[in-house]
Amino acid sequence: QVQLVQSGAEMRQPGSSVKVSCEASGDTFSNNAISWVRQIPGQGLEYMGGIIPFFGTTNYARNFQGRVLMTTDKSTSTAYMTLSSLRSDDTAVYFCARETAVAKPDAYFFDAWGQGTLVTVSS
Amino acid sequence: YVLTQAPSVSVAPGQTAKISCGGNNIGSTNVHWYQQKPGQAPVLVVYDDSDRPSGIPERFSGSHSGNTATLTISRVEAGDEADYYCQVWDSSSDPKGLYVFGAGTKVTVL
Repeated sequence: QVQLVQSGAEMRQPGSSVKVSCEASGDTFSNNAISWVRQIPGQGLEYMGGIIPFFGTTNYARNFQGRVLMTTDKSTSTAYMTLSSLRSDDTAVYFCARETAVAKPDAYFFDAWGQGTLVTVSS
Repeated sequence: YVLTQAPSVSVAPGQTAKISCGGNNIGSTNVHWYQQKPGQAPVLVVYDDSDRPSGIPERFSGSHSGNTATLTISRVEAGDEADYYCQVWDSSSDPKGLYVFGAGTKVTVL
């Protein structure tokens, strides 16, 4: 069973960038996409995008295109999410999650989640 | 693509809670459900409409009919109090596809 461990809380000023890491252990890293989901305090879950470590291919949600960069380091089984041009409304908990599908190829869901990283954007 | 969930459901211990998730033509896709307790990451409780991951009690079950998917929690316990989110993979709104979550239903155990 895969385990995902994320980096610690961050505080940033508006206009800056933040890089959050997500280290996987317990299963093959490259085969499944790693996605990022954020949760603004008191709100629901919002998909940001994902990356397939084996190919390095990315899929960014429209709301984040141009501001988000997802990368991986296969040597350390770690995924990274960089969000730039931060605003106060980017204050949220950011989760990484492992994607999988069982019943059919496009019925994707998340079978493992990181513990979350709180990013606070404030001047 | 929008998934619609009721904001809250209240249930007494030992009773049954039903959490619905509506969406246009949702019957043609697989629905997955997550439980999230305060300050914790979501946990998968049902996938592919009605399958349970290992370790999830049989009290959690899922079903799918028409334009509504339902998560049922039988014999509700205090520890089931949490937010529950439905999720689908939508390839109609974006050619590369994206995850869509419902807004979540807060289950309160009375």
